[in-house]
Amino acid sequence: GQNIDQPTEMTATEGAIVQINCTYQTSGFNGLFWYQQHAGEAPTFLSYNVLDGLEEKGRFSSFLSRSKGYSYLLLKELQMKDSASYLCAVRGAGSYQLTFGKGTKLSVIP
Amino acid sequence: NAGVTQTPKFRILKIGQSMTLQCTQDMNHNYMYWYRQDPGMGLKLIYYSVGAGITDKGEVPNGYNVSRSTTEDFPLRLELAAPSQTSVYFCASSDGLAGAYNEQFFGPGTRLTVL
Repeated sequence: GQNIDQPTEMTATEGAIVQINCTYQTSGFNGLFWYQQHAGEAPTFLSYNVLDGLEEKGRFSSFLSRSKGYSYLLLKELQMKDSASYLCAVRGAGSYQLTFGKGTKLSVIP
Repeated sequence: NAGVTQTPKFRILKIGQSMTLQCTQDMNHNYMYWYRQDPGMGLKLIYYSVGAGITDKGEVPNGYNVSRSTTEDFPLRLELAAPSQTSVYFCASSDGLAGAYNEQFFGPGTRLTVL
């Protein structure tokens, strides 16, 4: 099975940087995804890591350490529209199924 | 491309009623999924399909049934609605191609209340 932990809520200031952590224990690993979900809307894909290291995409970056079972999502130059839930999801080995964490609700304040 | 579409957007059911949640994708994706999302509980996989005619149970399949007669459509059936099935239901699809991210694309969701 898979167990995924991420903080329930975070608050950060507009223009700042925030790091959302995700730790996981899995019986097999074939990639980690981050999704963004605004209130009342569907999740949308942000990033994918399968090898150790940092993936950068504009203001968003995602890091993975497979040996530590750890990932983080880094959001720079925060904007009010970044207020949303951020979902960490792990794909098991030999599978296309995802196991999702409970999500981190990020509030960006002026 | 409409992506993944779901109908209805909202529905209120009485205990014991049945209904079908519709899901259609126009991206020619092989893989399709049904999730439910309860407040503070994250997304839980109900059923998934790797192609037309092939379906399998996810983490929380009890009380639900699915079928996949075409690549495009993946309806979810509730036979005897119970209050525990009050939730937001998301359908998703992914292409399943080797070497690709295979990220899942989600529909807008169906908000179901069982009273």
